[in-house]
Amino acid sequence: GEDVEQSLFLSVREGDSSVINCTYTDSSSTYLYWYKQEPGAGLQLLTYIFSNMDMKQDQRLTVLLNKKDKHLSLRIADTQTGDSAIYFCAERKSNDYKLSFGAGTTVTVRA
Amino acid sequence: NAGVMQNPRHLVRRRGQEARLRCSPMKGHSHVYWYRQLPEEGLKFMVYLQKENIIDESGMPKERFSAEFPKEGPSILRIQQVVRGDSAAYFCASSSPGLASYEQYFGPGTRLTVT
Repeated sequence: GEDVEQSLFLSVREGDSSVINCTYTDSSSTYLYWYKQEPGAGLQLLTYIFSNMDMKQDQRLTVLLNKKDKHLSLRIADTQTGDSAIYFCAERKSNDYKLSFGAGTTVTVRA
Repeated sequence: NAGVMQNPRHLVRRRGQEARLRCSPMKGHSHVYWYRQLPEEGLKFMVYLQKENIIDESGMPKERFSAEFPKEGPSILRIQQVVRGDSAAYFCASSSPGLASYEQYFGPGTRLTVT
C-alpha cells in the first residue's frame, strides 16, 4: 500500500474551516509537507513541518503533527473559493531527499 | 526571481516516438528532481540529479527512460519509444544545496499524451 494516505474528497462551505488529514507510516520521516495543486498547474509548496515540532501556524494555515499516531493535518481557516484545489501531503524520510506523496485530497469550496 | 520552468507544457506523441522534456531549475538551485503523476494519483519520484551527476534513479523505469542535467542548460528527461502507459504529467522540482535542500519547488509540469 501507499506510505502516505489521505482521504480523497472534502467539501466545505465558504468561510468555514477546512481540515485535511494525512497518515504516514515511516516514523523516521523528518519533514512533512503540504502542497496545493490547482487545475492544470504545478504544485505550490504551502507549508512544511519538522518532525520535532507539534504545530506550525502560517496566516490561515495551521499544521498539526501527532508523531505517536503518525498523523498530520492541515487546517485552513476562513476557507475561500480560491482554496478549491487538490492538496497533497508528502513526507521526506531521514537521510533521503525524495518526497513520497499521498494521492491528494480534492477540496471543493461551495458558496 | 523566476520559478522552475518546464517546457513544453503539453506534448503529444504517437506510439514509438521519442519525448524530450526540459526543466530549468530556479536560480541558485543545483538539485533537480523528476516526478511522474498518473491520472488521479499522487506524484511518484523518478530521478534526482545534480549538475552532471545522477544521484538516485531508483524510480526510473529500467528501459526507455533516461535523464541528464548537463553543466550548461536545462535538465532533460527523455523517453524513447513512448507507449500509451507513459501518458502522464511529468513534474520537475528543484532545491538549493545545503540547509535549505528540504524545500523542493515544482514547475508547472509537462503533460504528455501518447496517441
